[in-house]
Amino acid sequence: DTAVSQTPKYLVTQMGNDKSIKCEQNLGHDTMYWYKQDSKKFLKIMFSYNNKELIINETVPNRFSPKSPDKAHLNLHINSLELGDSAVYFCASRLGHQNPEAFFGQGTRLTVV
Amino acid sequence: GQQVMQIPQYQHVQEGEDFTTYCNSSTTLSNIQWYKQRPGGHPVFLIQLVKSGEVKKQKRLTFQFGEAKKNSSLHITATQTTDVGTYFCAGPLLIYNQGGKLIFGQGTELSVKP
Repeated sequence: DTAVSQTPKYLVTQMGNDKSIKCEQNLGHDTMYWYKQDSKKFLKIMFSYNNKELIINETVPNRFSPKSPDKAHLNLHINSLELGDSAVYFCASRLGHQNPEAFFGQGTRLTVV
Repeated sequence: GQQVMQIPQYQHVQEGEDFTTYCNSSTTLSNIQWYKQRPGGHPVFLIQLVKSGEVKKQKRLTFQFGEAKKNSSLHITATQTTDVGTYFCAGPLLIYNQGGKLIFGQGTELSVKP
């Protein structure tokens, strides 16, 4: 049983398209995140959701929109994809900020051509 | 804003040599975490340090938290090829009345030559 699962694992798409990445966690966690990892391995936080409420919205382009239909899911929708959006996107979850461990999904490698 | 800096960015060692990565925060941290990401994989939690001056060991890995709670280190004794990967430190940014977020260092990529 995968704790945090992301789909798809690979995504190749053309500039200007709209795409979504799905994330689900079965750990009962109340906080979920989206991170972007660039080619230099730097992990940058994009969004954080706590109990379905967006609590931190990093200065990412508004083409990126997180959507949480319920506490176990945090999907990432991207409009008008650009070349610079190519990266690996990780979903992660944590049980509040009292519990230290963040569990990461396998990642989605997005390539925009 | 809060920053977490990590050095070195890359480290190449011969199998059996020791390895250390250092992490420095611009602000005092309530705790610090360490993660390992294998090539092609995802970050996996290793440990959390909370107390000033804390030292924890996991087999050949030794983690330290500085007295001022602004720096930390990870030391691996006698590296093995299974240690290959990128090691990240991460510190929480706590926002009042909201959930925290983890600020990651840039990571240290370790390669081990057999």
